Amino acid sequence: TQLLEQSPQFLSIQEGENLTVYCNSSSVFSSLQWYRQEPGEGPVLLVTVVTGGEVKKLKRLTFQFGDARKDSSLHITAAQPGDTGLYLCAGAIKTSYDKVIFGPGTSLSVIP
Amino acid sequence: KAGVTQTPRYLIKTRGQQVTLSCSPISGHRSVSWYQQTPGQGLQFLFEYFSETQRNKGNFPGRFSGRQFSNSRSEMNVSTLELGDSALYLCASSLARSGVYNEQFFGPGTRLTVL
Repeated sequence: TQLLEQSPQFLSIQEGENLTVYCNSSSVFSSLQWYRQEPGEGPVLLVTVVTGGEVKKLKRLTFQFGDARKDSSLHITAAQPGDTGLYLCAGAIKTSYDKVIFGPGTSLSVIP
Repeated sequence: KAGVTQTPRYLIKTRGQQVTLSCSPISGHRSVSWYQQTPGQGLQFLFEYFSETQRNKGNFPGRFSGRQFSNSRSEMNVSTLELGDSALYLCASSLARSGVYNEQFFGPGTRLTVL
């Protein structure tokens, strides 16, 4: 059974602080996606990482894919209230179609 | 380009009833996947449709079914509703190009409440 774990499950921080959330698995993924979901809405794709060791930056967000393509991290610098939401990682396994496994998510609350 | 749309956004049903949810993918996207999201179980995969055929299925009972039309629009049906079916049902579409990973784009979801 392929599983994705995310930590921490919940995170509450003050505006301006930095944070890192983690996504781990024993499986190797062909790519990994990070999504942010706001209450009552669907997840919005933030980034896709494909190459082991890859680092992508999106303004204050830095995403890293592990060398072995089994784990990933999301680092947010100077968090803002608008960053509040559920952060989901999703690992893709390439077969004859795209098999995607979602992690349980990290719920982030940024307090003004 | 319009995003994924889902209708209705909210639905209230009683136990034993059935429900049909609709999803219109992004124009040009040929694959539609359905997910159930609950606070306790997270995002769980229901099934995926491509070219009007179900090509992948999660571990849900037969009460959950779906179909895809020739224009790629998809519907999901749940029969004999149970209280535990209360959830946010999400639809995601992708281009389904062969040989590369196809990112999924989600709709806003349908919030189903079973009383």
